[in-house]
Amino acid sequence: NAGVTQTPKFQVLKTGQSMTLQCAQDMNHNSMYWYRQDPGMGLRLIYYSASEGTTDKGEVPNGYNVSRLNKREFSLRLESAAPSQTSVYFCASSEGPARQPQHFGDGTRLSIL
Amino acid sequence: RKEVEQDPGPFNVPEGATVAFNCTYSNSASQSFFWYRQDCRKEPKLLMSVYSSGNEDGRFTAQLNRASQYISLLIRDSKLSDSATYLCVVNKLNTGTASKLTFGTGTRLQVTL
Repeated sequence: NAGVTQTPKFQVLKTGQSMTLQCAQDMNHNSMYWYRQDPGMGLRLIYYSASEGTTDKGEVPNGYNVSRLNKREFSLRLESAAPSQTSVYFCASSEGPARQPQHFGDGTRLSIL
Repeated sequence: RKEVEQDPGPFNVPEGATVAFNCTYSNSASQSFFWYRQDCRKEPKLLMSVYSSGNEDGRFTAQLNRASQYISLLIRDSKLSDSATYLCVVNKLNTGTASKLTFGTGTRLQVTL
């Protein structure tokens, strides 16, 4: 049982480049989330999708876009990467928007030069 | 002031010791509370929920004081495998369909021989 799968695991980009982080879950969960984790800041919610077909902004949405492609997949796009977006990105899912636990993928380490 | 505050540690304790972590939250509208565990360079995983009456799971005991907006985690008989960062997490129900988790920055525990 894979749980939440994120790709890629590591990526180095140049400022201004774009890329999409992929996330897929095989637990038939309704809700999915994208977080970033920076030293001394804790995990911060970027965007979330309470259910298929809906997306909403979290705490730090600027510079990102998301797509809930279907119930399984939730992608995060950086249109024009900036050094401030260097971070570890985690995707998570849960049965519903207020349900625990949230199951996390093992993260994408992204460096923007 | 951060919404969820934790002592970053590190707490260095010998194997077999009892250690306690504290967490305070600022939003009195917070509805539910959790402790997550995060190993170095890994994803967060739910350790336990925190209930108003206090709850125990093996060597782990969680307490909630709503009046003081304070959460605690007690680990008895520490094991080397308990070495990790412990994240205090607060869930504030919003109007609408989704709720959002707010993560503390974590308290690092190092258990030594």
